[in-house]
Amino acid sequence: AQTVTQSQPEMSVQEAETVTLSCTYDTSENNYYLFWYKQPPSRQMILVIRQEAYKQQNATENRFSVNFQKAAKSFSLKISDSQLGDTAMYFCALSQYGNKLVFGAGTILRVKS
Amino acid sequence: DAGVIQSPRHEVTEMGQEVTLRCKPISGHNSLFWYRQTMMRGLELLIYFNNNVPIDDSGMPEDRFSAKMPNASFSTLKIQPSEPRDSAVYFCASSHSLAGGFPGELFFGEGSRLTVL
Repeated sequence: AQTVTQSQPEMSVQEAETVTLSCTYDTSENNYYLFWYKQPPSRQMILVIRQEAYKQQNATENRFSVNFQKAAKSFSLKISDSQLGDTAMYFCALSQYGNKLVFGAGTILRVKS
Repeated sequence: DAGVIQSPRHEVTEMGQEVTLRCKPISGHNSLFWYRQTMMRGLELLIYFNNNVPIDDSGMPEDRFSAKMPNASFSTLKIQPSEPRDSAVYFCASSHSLAGGFPGELFFGEGSRLTVL
């Protein structure tokens, strides 16, 4: 079975500072994909970043980067230079071969001015 | 591309009524997912289709729920009869499978907010 755990229900950060959201997962597969999705108050889910398990290099997308620790089954999201528009619910998700995407419970991030 | 289109955006109905939610996936995508989001249970996968065929419906809560995908451009999620505990936001998402059969990036619709009184 595949599970995704996000242990931080809520976090806050000052504008322009850096924040890290945690995610751990469990899977018996050696190859899989990990994702971070963002859900702003408008409700629409948007992909933030994607990591392939067989790639050792951590994925980056502008101000967003991940720290992928395969042995520890950890996949954290770092947001640098936080902006007010980053305020949202963030979901970590895992997909295995031929299987569905499983989401964590989410972390609410509030960026304060 | 218009993205994933869901209708209705909001639905208010009374207990016992039939509810039909509709979804048009992105053209060319071969996988379609129905999710339900509530405060208590978060984001739950109800069912997903691959090439119009239901692959996993283990998340469908009860026989009151049914989903169809008659063709590559349309899917419905039906609740009959509806109950107050079905109140939630229902999301449809579509994707194109990555190499090796992995689900690719999910593109979500804006969701249908259902309130059952």
